[in-house]
Amino acid sequence: GQQLNQSPQSMFIQEGEDVSMNCTSSSIFNTWLWYKQDPGEGPVLLIALYKAGELTSNGRLTAQFGITRKDSFLNISASIPSDVGIYFCAGQLQDSGNTPLVFGKGTRLSVIA
Amino acid sequence: NAGVTQTPKFRVLKTGQSMTLLCAQDMNHEYMYWYRQDPGMGLRLIHYSVGEGTTAKGEVPDGYNVSRLKKQNFLLGLESAAPSQTSVYFCASSYVSNDEQFFGPGTRLTVL
Repeated sequence: GQQLNQSPQSMFIQEGEDVSMNCTSSSIFNTWLWYKQDPGEGPVLLIALYKAGELTSNGRLTAQFGITRKDSFLNISASIPSDVGIYFCAGQLQDSGNTPLVFGKGTRLSVIA
Repeated sequence: NAGVTQTPKFRVLKTGQSMTLLCAQDMNHEYMYWYRQDPGMGLRLIHYSVGEGTTAKGEVPDGYNVSRLKKQNFLLGLESAAPSQTSVYFCASSYVSNDEQFFGPGTRLTVL
């Protein structure tokens, strides 16, 4: 079942605004990844995090692996129209062996020009 | 490299018909996955494979079967399609279980 809570479910923002979204869980994760899905396409990796406390940037995007290993956030600065899409967090549970990543339900981002 | 490819891109079935979706990857990845995506439900794992000749159930396996006869291919079968299987299906692959999954472009399936 669903072990990741991703919020918010959707956001409507003005172009130029900053965006923040997060994923939380009651379980401990070894890995956090953030994906973006453009309309009509498959998800594409934005940022991968492998250590608690890790803070990684990719252009205007910044993601952090929470210290408790139970959460992660993604920030987008100075949003532009092409940021529109669905953002997914994904993680691998601690001691889960070779089981697949768990995905959040996504945050749908709309940018108003 | 083509990455992950899926065929077909679109398909319309009648209830009770069968079909097979094909996923192919050219990255020599061990792990392959099939997901379905429905509005508001995110990506739900149907079946996955940790290597050639292996398959395992995911979150929503009922009504689907899979086979991994060759390392580069992962087939998803619907034996008797139902309207509840109307969805967008994504295939993905990865080198190891906790690493980036590369996704295909998706197959949009409608069951009438």
